[in-house]
Amino acid sequence: QVQLVESGGALVMPGGSLRLSCAASGFTFSDYHMSWIRQAPGKGMEWLSYITSSGSFIFNADSVKGRFTISRDNAKNSLYLQMNSLTAEDTAVYYCARHDGSSEYYFDFWGQGTQVTASP
Amino acid sequence: SYVLTQPPTVSVAPGQTASITCGGNNIETKAVHWYQHKPGQAPVLVVYDDTDRPSGIPERFSGSNSGNTATLTISRVEAGDEADYCCQVWDTSSDHAVFGGGTKLTVL
Repeated sequence: QVQLVESGGALVMPGGSLRLSCAASGFTFSDYHMSWIRQAPGKGMEWLSYITSSGSFIFNADSVKGRFTISRDNAKNSLYLQMNSLTAEDTAVYYCARHDGSSEYYFDFWGQGTQVTASP
Repeated sequence: SYVLTQPPTVSVAPGQTASITCGGNNIETKAVHWYQHKPGQAPVLVVYDDTDRPSGIPERFSGSNSGNTATLTISRVEAGDEADYCCQVWDTSSDHAVFGGGTKLTVL
């Protein structure tokens, strides 16, 4: 069965960096586009970044441009999010999500999320 | 950027019908997708492309989209349907996903 497992969330000082990982299993990872999405406390879901199946194209939300970098290693069935210059506003649960294979405009599977807290 | 608006809360008695709306400018021209999210769990896709259900999602969940409002309808609501529900569209002009603010469904 499809599984997405995020890891790497932690308590980090403002201005710090963190690298999140998402381990995929149960499907051919290299066939699917992937995204990172977050949910801050008391807020709705916020889409952050999207990478195509081959890694050739990347799209980012304005809120994270220049600070967050999405990448993937298809040989390791893994998705990553490098986060730099973190602020309190980045405190959230971070999810990786698989784009549907045919439509690619929605997310057919999500992970359970990893908590990132930026606080002194 | 495109904005989706949802009511923060909807309450319904067991066995009744819950309607959760998602408002957006001329949203009927976009494909709307809905997710169910329970605390501590992975979000689950319940309706895609306005009206379609993934396998395993009960027929009680249905969707519609017209004018400036898309609607997720849950018939014969059960206690287990209590969750947050959010709508989503894809802004093809910018290749960005856009989410509504989410609606907490309370089963009385």
